Amino acid sequence: DIVLTQSPATLSLSPGERATLSCRASQSVSSYLAWYQQKPGQAPRLLIYDASNRATGIPARFSGSGSGTDFTLTISSLEPEDFAVYYCQQRSNWPPRVTFGQGTRLEIK
Amino acid sequence: EVQLLESGGGLVQPGGSLRLSCVASGFTFSNYALSWVRQAPGKGLEWVSTISGSGGSTNYADSVKGRFTISRDNSKNTLYLQVNSLRAEDTAVYYCAKDLIAAANYYYFYMDVWGKGTTVTVSS
Repeated sequence: DIVLTQSPATLSLSPGERATLSCRASQSVSSYLAWYQQKPGQAPRLLIYDASNRATGIPARFSGSGSGTDFTLTISSLEPEDFAVYYCQQRSNWPPRVTFGQGTRLEIK
Repeated sequence: EVQLLESGGGLVQPGGSLRLSCVASGFTFSNYALSWVRQAPGKGLEWVSTISGSGGSTNYADSVKGRFTISRDNSKNTLYLQVNSLRAEDTAVYYCAKDLIAAANYYYFYMDVWGKGTTVTVSS
């Protein structure tokens, strides 16, 4: 099974700074990778799919890049509401499977 | 507005069973694959199962295969998860989630709408 490893586990930044979150797959997932944001007590929210496509209503400060095994979620200028946990997720159609990374906690410095 | 609302969680003894439900509104239910994703207390997200829009195809995580059964009733806009032989490690919030893209017999496995979750606690 494909394993997704996110780094760092925790990222401490200030509002206005740029955030760069990493997700590495144990084998190639092509571009079949998504990013989710989850705030305490809330369900996850889809940010990015197919590595670089923003979901509906997601602000332009969120961008995704990468293919194969190395992926990045970038938040260009952090807003107070961006401090949350972020998960990457890969999808495969054979065998049909979904795998999540362990998450990166983005906290206010 | 597209919405998903889960119910059916609760406290159950090890070895027990529950049926979780997820009622959908605001979209053409039968056009979308639906998934269950769970989150143990203080832990990350774990995919559990997905069913195609038609209901003709299902998939499970290895950790629940043979114990959990996903199903749907497209006439009632409702998704189900029958959870049997429950273990302590099944304790979690269970979310239902809708596929991003409409496809009656295919999964995209990107989940753009999520419910608020229902909590399952397995304890004696």
